[in-house]
Amino acid sequence: QVQLVQSGAEVRKPGASVRVSCKASGYSFTSYDIYWVRQATGQGLEWMGWMNTNSGNTGRAQKFQGRVTMTRNTSINTAYMELSSLTSEDTAVYYCATSLQYWGQGTPVTVSS
Amino acid sequence: QTVVTQEASLTVSPGGTVTLTCASATGEVTSGHYPRWFQQKAGQAPRALIYSVSTRYSWTPARFSGSLLGGKAALTISGVQSDDEADYYCLLFSGGPGDVVFGGGTKLTVL
Repeated sequence: QVQLVQSGAEVRKPGASVRVSCKASGYSFTSYDIYWVRQATGQGLEWMGWMNTNSGNTGRAQKFQGRVTMTRNTSINTAYMELSSLTSEDTAVYYCATSLQYWGQGTPVTVSS
Repeated sequence: QTVVTQEASLTVSPGGTVTLTCASATGEVTSGHYPRWFQQKAGQAPRALIYSVSTRYSWTPARFSGSLLGGKAALTISGVQSDDEADYYCLLFSGGPGDVVFGGGTKLTVL
């Protein structure tokens, strides 16, 4: 069965970066795009960007231009999302989703001094 | 970036029918926006329900149906069950690069 398993919770200081991983199994990794979505506590879903796992091409929400980097390692069926220059407003649960159909369990990221 | 609007909250009785809508600030929602719907229960990851306006996933109960209604995307739940109490989010693809937008979500209460 399709499964996306994300890395564990992270705590960072303002100004730092964080990288979240998303390991896929149960399907051909390079056949479907990976999307990244985040959700602050008590708030709605916010689309961050997507990556074509075959070509590596990416697209980002304008809000995250220059701050989010999406990569993948096809040899281990894993996608990565790195967010830099963190502020407290980046405190949220970060999700990966393959073609927005199957979702990871979420990775809580806390930014605090 | 496009603003997508949903009802903040709706209440429905068990066994009843409810329609949630999804509107785009730029105008009519069409099939070209490939509207999608997601359900999210407290403390859980979102679950995909509907894609391309009205196509259900294999796990989506038949009581959930998607459509275009009055220039908006719509999600209708018929024969509502208590288990349907959740937040529901729509998503639109707006065609431009980097223009994928979630609606603000509708909190559905079954009472």
